[in-house]
Amino acid sequence: QVQLVESGGGLVKPGGSLRLSCAVSGFTLSDYYMNWIRQAPGKGLEWVSYVSSTGTIYYGDSLKGRFTISRDNAKNSLYLQMNSLRAEDTAVYYCARALAGAFDVWGQGTLVTVSS
Amino acid sequence: DIQMTQSPSSVSASVGDRVTITCRASQDIDNWLAWYQQKPGKAPKLLIYAASNLQSGVPSRFSGSGSGTDFTLTISSLQPEDFATYYCQQANRFHSFGQGTKLEI
Repeated sequence: QVQLVESGGGLVKPGGSLRLSCAVSGFTLSDYYMNWIRQAPGKGLEWVSYVSSTGTIYYGDSLKGRFTISRDNAKNSLYLQMNSLRAEDTAVYYCARALAGAFDVWGQGTLVTVSS
Repeated sequence: DIQMTQSPSSVSASVGDRVTITCRASQDIDNWLAWYQQKPGKAPKLLIYAASNLQSGVPSRFSGSGSGTDFTLTISSLQPEDFATYYCQQANRFHSFGQGTKLEI
């Protein structure tokens, strides 16, 4: 069964750090482009980052070098290290698999709240 | 950055209606366009990929068309479970989403 399960969200103070994880099952992580996508409360979807099947990495322009995506194929896991967090980073963070440019499998999401 | 603009932002309709949502890209994206449905508290669900290809398991009342900069999602006969928010997404250069269209009764 193809499944993505995110974890690691929570409440963090402005300027703090958090590491999100996405556990993958039912397919081989390294065969696909894997993505992080976020959604602020009551807002639309924003693509955050991807790591390609060959290891190429890209980030959305708004992140300004604060986030780092990585994957551990042996652990079937995708990660997002988030540093220097701001209130505007408050969102539900989804991991998603991409196929033919579309996100065909999504996790349930993990909520990150940045607040003092 | 490629900007995606959906219209309308919201639409009221009834069961059995035909509804069309449009999505315009700020530059040519060929057919690198997908559509998603999202219900409150849930992850988005892929409906259409490559502009006009129906994702497996998605009812045939959903269809997509377009190429270049202008795209449409059509629901031929609304069912109660179709009331949700719909997003378009481009994959020509990285990824970006439209702002969403809320379909309500």
